[in-house]
Amino acid sequence: QSALTQPRSVSGSPGQSVTISCTGTSSDVGGYKFVSWYQQHPGKAPKLMIYDVSKRPSGVPDRFSGSKSGNTASLTISGLQAEDESDYYCCSYAGSYNLFGGGTKVTVL
Amino acid sequence: EVQLVESGGGLVQPGRSLRLSCAASGFSFDDYAMHWVRQAPGKGLEWVSGISWNSDSIDYADSVKGRFTISRDNAKNSLYLQMNSLRAEDTALYYCAKDVGRRAYSPDRWGQGSLVTVSS
Repeated sequence: QSALTQPRSVSGSPGQSVTISCTGTSSDVGGYKFVSWYQQHPGKAPKLMIYDVSKRPSGVPDRFSGSKSGNTASLTISGLQAEDESDYYCCSYAGSYNLFGGGTKVTVL
Repeated sequence: EVQLVESGGGLVQPGRSLRLSCAASGFSFDDYAMHWVRQAPGKGLEWVSGISWNSDSIDYADSVKGRFTISRDNAKNSLYLQMNSLRAEDTALYYCAKDVGRRAYSPDRWGQGSLVTVSS
């Protein structure tokens, strides 16, 4: 059960777009539609941003979008805002367990 | 409003046991799968265990398999995690999380966590 691979950090200026990748294998990301993304501000509980690869829960801005190609899922934040600066984690179902990525720190320049 | 309140954490010696509880409110508890997810100090999220809405499907991370047991009581709107043979590496903030559906595929809403510290 190896963690999914995410870049340690990404950055962008306000208004720009950033994309976070989440790479797994055919046994997890590539094998199921159950990929989710979480935002976690320091000292706070994680918040679901995307589930089932590309679905947005009620209340999540449409600036956040998800996709998947093969064994890699992606989270894109369009029109980056200051409040988007946070840690982001991907998660995938893997048949008999769930896996998280190592997390990506998004910095708004 | 969905509320998940964890309790039962604390300081425990290696090899001892601890039982975490999660009290759920604001949603139909028996319609959703539930998860335990932990986060060691300064580290990332680690999925621990998941249980389906009716307890017919239960999964564990390899790191806790054979030592931890997840259970739920739908009549009491409560989720539990029995943790035995605790190790220093189990030290973490333990979150209870509701799933988006009946199977434990995608944690949705999270509690604020219960801190477990394993140390002599």
